[in-house]
Amino acid sequence: DQQVKQNSPSLSVQEGRISILNCDYTNSMFDYFLWYKKYPAEGPTFLISISSIKDKNEDGRFTVFLNKSAKHLSLHIVPSQPGDSAVYFCAARASGANNLFFGTGTRLTVIP
Amino acid sequence: NAGVTQTPKFRVLKTGQSMTLLCAQDMNHEYMYWYRQDPGMGLRLIHYSVGEGTTAKGEVPDGYNVSRLKKQNFLLGLESAAPSQTSVYFCASSYSGQGSANQPQHFGDGTRLSI
Repeated sequence: DQQVKQNSPSLSVQEGRISILNCDYTNSMFDYFLWYKKYPAEGPTFLISISSIKDKNEDGRFTVFLNKSAKHLSLHIVPSQPGDSAVYFCAARASGANNLFFGTGTRLTVIP
Repeated sequence: NAGVTQTPKFRVLKTGQSMTLLCAQDMNHEYMYWYRQDPGMGLRLIHYSVGEGTTAKGEVPDGYNVSRLKKQNFLLGLESAAPSQTSVYFCASSYSGQGSANQPQHFGDGTRLSI
């Protein structure tokens, strides 16, 4: 049973435009959420995170929004760059737990 | 600074063979993890360790064993490889000191295993 879902397997965006990647979760005990970026033949790289006490966290071009009532989070990339082309994984962790639950990933392609 | 290093990067096994995957981290992290990634699925936790000498089961532990004899190393063993264990395996580590409640995991580049 997938507790973290990324329903869009792929997304294509023009360079300079906004990329919005979405993630839904089912477990109300999750209180910490992360986004990872993965290039082929490399491990996932941490991008940005958000605690459940916040509804927004921003780091440069990357912003994560959390809607706890809808159990939904999104990653906004503005402006999108060709180097952002990668697979993006959403992950979540329950309070006091060590393990992360990952979504299936969304492949972002930024078209020059 | 190497971060998290996994060896080997690729391996082909026959059904029933055994092997050990090695993960080493140089960040003095207490916590270490082994995940597998399969097509169309996210990473799933196999086993993890919260410190030297400790191990615990994750989401998909069957068919695997682990050991954490040294703080910097976390070994994943397959005693009798099965085709269902064909996957890409990722090791990760994270900080556990003060203020570590929300610390990200740092990943190695993976081991591609084919059985």
